[in-house]
Amino acid sequence: EAGVVQSPRYKIIEKKQPVAFWCNPISGHNTLYWYLQNLGQGPELLIRYENEEAVDDSQLPKDRFSAERLKGVDSTLKIQPAELGDSAVYLCASSLGSGGPYNEQFFGPGTRLTVL
Amino acid sequence: AQSVSQHNHHVILSEAASLELGCNYSYGGTVNLFWYVQYPGQHLQLLLKYFSGDPLVKGIKGFEAEFIKSKFSFNLRKPSVQWSDTAEYFCAVATGTYKYIFGTGTRLKVLA
Repeated sequence: EAGVVQSPRYKIIEKKQPVAFWCNPISGHNTLYWYLQNLGQGPELLIRYENEEAVDDSQLPKDRFSAERLKGVDSTLKIQPAELGDSAVYLCASSLGSGGPYNEQFFGPGTRLTVL
Repeated sequence: AQSVSQHNHHVILSEAASLELGCNYSYGGTVNLFWYVQYPGQHLQLLLKYFSGDPLVKGIKGFEAEFIKSKFSFNLRKPSVQWSDTAEYFCAVATGTYKYIFGTGTRLKVLA
């Protein structure tokens, strides 16, 4: 079974440029998560999708970050414009569902973003 | 605010030593509890999980964790560590409102 796929694995951009990350979850997983992980910290949730609906985007900085999961499968996270402080690893995870035994998350390898 | 605390940020052990990593959370309702591990150069993967029932859960590679509800704790243990256990370990809590909160992680280094 294929795991969670993310691309690109690494991205270096200059500040004020836009950037996008792509995630393809495990087949059949309805719930998709985007996390931000700073160096030396644990993952912090940015947004959670149930199918195509964003059910928790309370931690997403909406002035510059956006996300979509149009068909309830793969998802894109965008930053526009990027700032120096956005340098981090962006993780995607998926699970069968959100509750009880269904919320075991499977993580992708992440995209390491460096903003210069 | 809900939070997860991992008190040990860096731990260095010799092979065959016993391991215990602390995890405490602040949330008064029903929780699901997880330990994830990230080996060098690899992505996060589940080590073990607690949903209900027996508070002592066993995971992969000889790890176990005990949920003590009265202490809001979910400590990770292994009786004898190996060099290959060198990794970063994250405790995570999923609350009743499906908030998934991670601790800051503990970096474990096992000396051969």
